[in-house]
Amino acid sequence: SQQGEEDPQALSIQEGENATMNCSYKTSINNLQWYRQNSGRGLVHLILIRSNEREKHSGRLRVTLDTSKKSSSLLITASRAADTASYFCATDVDYKLSFGAGTTVTVRA
Amino acid sequence: SAVISQKPSRDICQRGTSLTIQCQVDSQVTMMFWYRQQPGQSLTLIATANQGSEATYESGFVIDKFPISRPNLTFSTLTVSNMSPEDSSIYLCSVRDRGGYEQYFGPGTRLTVT
Repeated sequence: SQQGEEDPQALSIQEGENATMNCSYKTSINNLQWYRQNSGRGLVHLILIRSNEREKHSGRLRVTLDTSKKSSSLLITASRAADTASYFCATDVDYKLSFGAGTTVTVRA
Repeated sequence: SAVISQKPSRDICQRGTSLTIQCQVDSQVTMMFWYRQQPGQSLTLIATANQGSEATYESGFVIDKFPISRPNLTFSTLTVSNMSPEDSSIYLCSVRDRGGYEQYFGPGTRLTVT
């Protein structure tokens, strides 16, 4: 069942701008993982954040997790055309991932 | 991270036939999963396939329709049986890393049923 829900559904930004997307979920989780998907291809793993972590960085990506609000955010800084993709959060409970509907990000040159 | 390959990458099949999708991993993994992504939708877990045990299916998915094999720690197959146009989807194989935390996905198999 889908537990994570992303917001917004779609986002269009200019190259160089930052993109922020949010993920809300309903039940307690072990971890939360973020993925990128380009044009209906396979998913690329971006970041895993554990339930006892509040923030994590990887290159131009920053993920936060607020377990009290049951929400997470993904920030992409200094966006590039290659960042155009769909981004999914997946809540991780007992080794099962439940995916949200995703946020489609379009980066305009 | 694990490198996962799937065969075929895409196929167009006729209604009523079956297709077997192969998933190969470059390292031994305990937990493997099969997901479906219907057009314009998110991913839905079909089943968990751990080596040495029967696959565990999620609600709405049954073994007769989606039989799974897991003969060893690097390989699995998913068969989509008696296909209908509603089975047109991307099917993705996925594995957990050895620590059991990060989960990686294969490139997917795009199936179109006519």
